[in-house]
Amino acid sequence: AQSVSQHNHHVILSEAASLELGCNYSYGGTVNLFWYVQYPGQHLQLLLKYFSGDPLVKGIKGFEAEFIKSKFSFNLRKPSVQWSDTAEYFCAVPGAGKSTFGDGTTLTVKP
Amino acid sequence: EPEVTQTPSHQVTQMGQEVILRCVPISNHLYFYWYRQILGQKVEFLVSFYNNEISEKSEIFDDQFSVERPDGSNFTLKIRSTKLEDSAMYFCASSEGIAGGPNFGPGTRLTVL
Repeated sequence: AQSVSQHNHHVILSEAASLELGCNYSYGGTVNLFWYVQYPGQHLQLLLKYFSGDPLVKGIKGFEAEFIKSKFSFNLRKPSVQWSDTAEYFCAVPGAGKSTFGDGTTLTVKP
Repeated sequence: EPEVTQTPSHQVTQMGQEVILRCVPISNHLYFYWYRQILGQKVEFLVSFYNNEISEKSEIFDDQFSVERPDGSNFTLKIRSTKLEDSAMYFCASSEGIAGGPNFGPGTRLTVL
């Protein structure tokens, strides 16, 4: 069965700092990976997804993630965060009709 | 851009009562899901639905839960006899295919008193 772990529970950054949120997965089959974002009071939104091909995927709002198969990782990055990036971020792996979510990382960006 | 919609946005009920949460998935999607998120906890998969039947369900989805697609547009989650621990945000989601990341609705906050 697939599983996803996110190492950082709460990350606090100042505006313009660079961001990297860790995600490791355990899955034996074909890997598809997703990052979702949940802004305060809002629903889950898909940030980006990896299916195949270029392991560096670009998402919305300047986010990107790199799939490193040898490390079973799919870390989320952004070179310069903004206050509006304050949200909860979830890594997820779909499989056989359901998605398994990581515990989530709360990102707080201080203005 | 089409979106998944859910009603109501907030439902308050007494323990032991039945509730029905409603969802309208994106029209050309074939796979439908319910997830829940207890406050402060991770998003948990409840059930997936395809071709008018449940394709997978989690341990959480016991006999108190049921899903239905009563017509061509709605997808409902029924909890027969609510418990305090059912209080959570319930998200409906839909996807075109089985492997694609689902599109989530805004959620229904269920409060069981």
